[in-house]
Amino acid sequence: EAGVAQSPRYKIIEKRQSVAFWCNPISGHATLYWYQQILGQGPKLLIQFQNNGVVDDSQLPKDRFSAERLKGVDSTLKIQPAKLEDSAVYLCASSQVRPLSTDTQYFGPGTRLTVL
Amino acid sequence: AQKVTQAQTEISVVEKEDVTLDCVYETRDTTYYLFWYKQPPSGELVFLIRRNSFDEQNEISGRYSWNFQKSTSSFNFTITASQVVDSAVYFCALSEATGTASKLTFGTGTRLQVTL
Repeated sequence: EAGVAQSPRYKIIEKRQSVAFWCNPISGHATLYWYQQILGQGPKLLIQFQNNGVVDDSQLPKDRFSAERLKGVDSTLKIQPAKLEDSAVYLCASSQVRPLSTDTQYFGPGTRLTVL
Repeated sequence: AQKVTQAQTEISVVEKEDVTLDCVYETRDTTYYLFWYKQPPSGELVFLIRRNSFDEQNEISGRYSWNFQKSTSSFNFTITASQVVDSAVYFCALSEATGTASKLTFGTGTRLQVTL
């Protein structure tokens, strides 16, 4: 079974530029998560989708971050404009059907973003 | 509020030594799940174990074992006869269920360095 796929793996941009990340979850997983992991810290949830609907985006900086999951499968996370403090690894995860606490989240390899 | 504390920032051991990674959590929920993930240098978070709050039995999987003690709110992870391949950052995480959302709160991680 294929795992969670993410691209690109690395991205370097200058501040005020825009950037987009792509995620393809494990087949059949209805719930998709985006996390931000700053160096030396644990991942922090940015947004959670169930199918193509947003379940929780309370920690998403909505003035510059946006995410969509139009067909309930792939998802994109965008930052516009980027700031220096956005330098981090962006992790995508997915879990089965309903976002119950019994579900295990499986993570992709992440995208390492460097903002100069 | 949910909180996970991993007080050990970094641990160094020599191969074949046993090592225990500590995890202490805080939650008001009576039903919750605890997880351990491994993050090797490649960056991907690898799922190791999930434990629910009603199951306090210890678990062993090969060289890995977990000790869940509800009385002390701890979920410690022991690697027996450590190997160089065990070198990674290990995260403990806590899952709550809030309506349809399943938040995963991570600790700050413990970096394990195993040397020859």
